[in-house]
Amino acid sequence: DADVTQTPRNRITKTGKRIMLECSQTKGHDRMYWYRQDPGLGLRLIYYSFDVKDINKGEISDGYSVSRQAQAKFSLSLESAIPNQTALYFCATSDPGLRTDTQYFGPGTRLTVL
Amino acid sequence: ELKVEQNPLFLSMQEGKNYTIYCNYSTTSDRLYWYRQDPGKSLESLFVLLSNGAVKQEGRLMASLDTKARLSTLHITAAVHDLSATYFCAVALNAGKSTFGDGTTLTVKP
Repeated sequence: DADVTQTPRNRITKTGKRIMLECSQTKGHDRMYWYRQDPGLGLRLIYYSFDVKDINKGEISDGYSVSRQAQAKFSLSLESAIPNQTALYFCATSDPGLRTDTQYFGPGTRLTVL
Repeated sequence: ELKVEQNPLFLSMQEGKNYTIYCNYSTTSDRLYWYRQDPGKSLESLFVLLSNGAVKQEGRLMASLDTKARLSTLHITAAVHDLSATYFCAVALNAGKSTFGDGTTLTVKP
């Protein structure tokens, strides 16, 4: 089984709808992240969480919210989706106990907002 | 604000040739990462460079870090088709937060 899973893998929705993307991990890592990737661009950080009680905004948090339900679960919500939120969304985890703090990525969720 | 620039953004190579991808960053950092992304897939960690002069090698890929110049390079030796992918560098400014470059899309042709 994959260490970092995301659901759904693909989603088409309409402008104004609320949508939630979910991320679960079995790696036991405290740190979790949400990124978006647009064609031809790198990943941009939306939100990150260093433990269950810690939530921080990234560089592009407007229009998004998150919930850290447990160490293993980190959800991203779009309260009222708009077309320019169409993108590929990645969840990632990392372990601060390792000096490298390498991030491990989920398979991604492709979101289309019509 | 940390800026990370990669060049080139697109690279078409013939099999057997060598080439280098460059990653420049604007602020002192203690960790630099290289990731690979295949089309439609997730990102996979290749290398983590932690100190000035660090060099890591895996197969036909070799990464190095010059913290004084704020420059990392990813060198490809004798390219093969299987190396076709998009390569990202990412720089960690504060613990746990990484800023990514825009990626270099590599195509290796026979």
